[in-house]
Amino acid sequence: EDQVTQSPEALRLQEGESSSLNCSYTVSGLRGLFWYRQDPGKGPEFLFTLYSAGEEKEKERLKATLTKKESFLHITAPKPEDSATYLCAGNSGGSNYKLTFGKGTLLTVNP
Amino acid sequence: DSGVTQTPKHLITATGQRVTLRCSPRSGDLSVYWYQQSLDQGLQFLIQYYNGEERAKGNILERFSAQQFPDLHSELNLSSLELGDSALYFCASSPRRAGVRDTQYFGPGTRLTVL
Repeated sequence: EDQVTQSPEALRLQEGESSSLNCSYTVSGLRGLFWYRQDPGKGPEFLFTLYSAGEEKEKERLKATLTKKESFLHITAPKPEDSATYLCAGNSGGSNYKLTFGKGTLLTVNP
Repeated sequence: DSGVTQTPKHLITATGQRVTLRCSPRSGDLSVYWYQQSLDQGLQFLIQYYNGEERAKGNILERFSAQQFPDLHSELNLSSLELGDSALYFCASSPRRAGVRDTQYFGPGTRLTVL
């Protein structure tokens, strides 16, 4: 069964303090690894898709990377507005197009 | 704003009742997905429709059903509601059926509270 595990469950940073979030996956025939940001009570907001090991994507203070077993979301010099839950999801493709989500990392950035 | 709309935003009902949640996908998107998000389970895939036809099923209870109409909007019907059905229900859409390289864009969700 496909599994996506995120760590840590929660992370508190000071503004400007860089860190990384981890997403490890066991998705047979992974065809895409997705990162979403979710604010409380709102729908997940798409951030990145990674398709192959070694791929990297950047957006403002965020950079996502992918290896054969895990993905990292690096946050450089975070600001309070980066506070949110970050979700990782795997897509195994084939006949089932569902996304298997991890439980997320709740990031809090203090000013 | 993802372009996916969901109504209603909030729904409060009693056990045993039936409710219908509605989703309009982004303009041009043919696939609609339904997800349930609860505090302990995280986001769980329920069902996918493509251009009116059911394409994939996840952890959807028999008390739940969905359909996609010719205008591509979708409805999720939840019946014989139980306390444990209280959750956020999200709809997502993507352009194509095969979708492995298609991003799913999520709506704002419907918060269901069963009393």
